[in-house]
Amino acid sequence: EAGVVQSPRYKIIEKKQPVAFWCNPISGHNTLYWYRQNLGQGPELLIRYENEEAVDDSQLPKDRFSAERLKGVDSTLKIQPAELGDSAVYLCASSLDQEKKQFFGPGTRLTVL
Amino acid sequence: AQTVTQSQPEMSVQEAETVTLSCTYDTSESNYYLFWYKQPPSRQMILVIRQEAYKQQNATENRFSVNFQKAAKSFSLKISDSQLGDTAMYFCASYLIQGAQKLVFGQGTRLTINP
Repeated sequence: EAGVVQSPRYKIIEKKQPVAFWCNPISGHNTLYWYRQNLGQGPELLIRYENEEAVDDSQLPKDRFSAERLKGVDSTLKIQPAELGDSAVYLCASSLDQEKKQFFGPGTRLTVL
Repeated sequence: AQTVTQSQPEMSVQEAETVTLSCTYDTSESNYYLFWYKQPPSRQMILVIRQEAYKQQNATENRFSVNFQKAAKSFSLKISDSQLGDTAMYFCASYLIQGAQKLVFGQGTRLTINP
């Protein structure tokens, strides 16, 4: 069974530029999460989807961040415009609701110059 | 509030030794899960072990086991017969079944297994 797929693995951009991250969850997993992990810290939730509905986006900086999960499968996280403080690893995870085990993708390391 | 604290920023042991990583958590909820995740330099977060709060029996997965002390809100991870491949960051996390329904992670412990 394929795991959670994320792309790109690395992204370097200049501040004020837009950037997008893509995630394909494990087949059949209805819940999808986006986390941000700053250097030397644990991940922090940005947004949680149940199928195509964003059920928790309270930690998403909505002035510059947006996300979507079309048809309840793939998801895209966007930042526009990026700031220096957005440099971090962005992790996507998915789970079967009833199991509560989250499986993570390899993450995208974003560097904003 | 839902918080997780790992008080050991770094640990180092020799291969084949046993090592215990500490974790404490705080929640007012009674229904939750606790997890240990491993993050090697490749950045992939890998689930090591899960404990349901309503179960008194400590979870085990091969060389990995936990000591779950619910009253003390303590959840330590024991790695037996440590291997070089166990070198990684280890994160403790809690998940509330009601309410937030998100993983809240500790700060992590960097574990190094020396040959």
